[in-house]
Amino acid sequence: SAVISQKPSRDICQRGTSLTIQCQVDSQVTMMFWYRQQPGQSLTLIATANQGSEATYESGFVIDKFPISRPNLTFSTLTVSNLSPEDSSIYLCSVGPTNVFGPGTRLTVL
Amino acid sequence: GIQVEQSPPDLILQEGANSTLRCNFSDSVNNLQWFHQNPWGQLINLFYIPSGTKQNGRLSATTVATERYSLLYISSSQTTDSGVYFCAVDDMRFGAGTRLTVKP
Repeated sequence: SAVISQKPSRDICQRGTSLTIQCQVDSQVTMMFWYRQQPGQSLTLIATANQGSEATYESGFVIDKFPISRPNLTFSTLTVSNLSPEDSSIYLCSVGPTNVFGPGTRLTVL
Repeated sequence: GIQVEQSPPDLILQEGANSTLRCNFSDSVNNLQWFHQNPWGQLINLFYIPSGTKQNGRLSATTVATERYSLLYISSSQTTDSGVYFCAVDDMRFGAGTRLTVKP
C-alpha cells in the first residue's frame, strides 16, 4: 500500500498567521483527502483534493480558510489561513481507495 | 447524511481479555472500514468490510449490512492494542470512536 509523509509533523503558530501542510505519497494516486481531528474528537473530512482542478469541500469548510493545491498525482498541500486557537487540531491526509493515512500534522495556535 | 454511532465510548481491559466493539449506521452503506489510531496518532486501516466477516490474526470483524451494524472483535488483547478504534462509512464519515485501554 501507499506510504504517505506529511510536513511539518507539528507546529506552533501565532493567531492570524497561516500554516501550509504538505502531503507526499510514494506512488501516484487519484484520490487524496484532507481531514481535521480536533482534540479528543473524531475525524472530519475537510475536502477532496482533485488533481488539475479545484478541491471539493465538505459542508462547513471553505476555500478561503482551507486552500488546497494538488499539482500532481503524488503531492498536495493544505493551508490553514488566518489561524485562531480553534484551529488547533491534527490535520491528516489520506489516499484512496483503501484510505491509507499519513502520520498527521499537529497544529497548536497561540 | 448517514449517522454513525460507536459503542462503548470507553473500554478498559486487562491484558489477555477479549472485547467486542460495535458500529451502528443509520442507512445502507457501500463501504465500511475499521481503523485503529494508536496513542501517537497514527491511523491504521484494519478492515475494509462492507459485509461479511474477515479475520486478521487476533482481530476479526463482521458487518451485517441488512441490520446496519458492524462488530470488531479483539481476542487476547495486548497493551499495544490500546488506542482509539474508529469505524467509517461510505464518504468517510467517521464514528466518534471507542477508546480502548489495555492494562498489563
